[in-house]
Amino acid sequence: DIQLTQSPSFLSASVGDRVTITCRASQGISSYLAWYQQKPGKAPKLLIYAASTLQSGVPSRFSGSGSGTEFTLTISSLQPEDFATYYCQQLNSYQALTFGGGTKVEIK
Amino acid sequence: EVQLVQSGAEVKKPGESLKISCKGSGYSFTSYWIGWVRQMPGKGLEWMGIIYPGDSDTRYSPSFQGQVTISADKSISTAYLQWSSLKASDTAMYYCARPLRYFDWSDAFDIWGQGTMVTVSS
Repeated sequence: DIQLTQSPSFLSASVGDRVTITCRASQGISSYLAWYQQKPGKAPKLLIYAASTLQSGVPSRFSGSGSGTEFTLTISSLQPEDFATYYCQQLNSYQALTFGGGTKVEIK
Repeated sequence: EVQLVQSGAEVKKPGESLKISCKGSGYSFTSYWIGWVRQMPGKGLEWMGIIYPGDSDTRYSPSFQGQVTISADKSISTAYLQWSSLKASDTAMYYCARPLRYFDWSDAFDIWGQGTMVTVSS
């Protein structure tokens, strides 16, 4: 399986902060990467696919970049509703479409 | 409205069997793959496998192959996840989800069910 390592696993930030989360793949996956947001007790929500394409309805303060083995999710100005856990997922394997371990974003 | 509605929470004993369901509506059920994702308590997401209800073509993660069975009944637009002998370690929330594009099993999930909590305890 392709392994995904997210960093940091936890971050504390304030409203208005710029936040960046990194996802590293154990082997090259081109741009086959998605990002999700999950709030407690809720199903995940797709934010970005194909590494940088914003899903319909997702605010433009979210952006994604990267290709190959290193990817980033950036929130340009953190809003109260953005406090959640974020996961990356690789979509390049013929076996299992693995997720990263998650990054929990909490209020400072 | 496109939606996936899952069956309710289950409490089972080790060794028991279980089948949970995921009903699709608002779209052509036989044209999109349906996947299953596990989330153990306080843990991350794990991709389990995926089925194409049109012809029941199924792919499993190696981690879940042989541990669960994914199936679908296209006549009632419902996908299933089943266990023949549950273990305590199967305690988790299970989500079904639909990929973005109808032809692609290896795609991001844009539609999710609400989740089914399975608790296995003696």
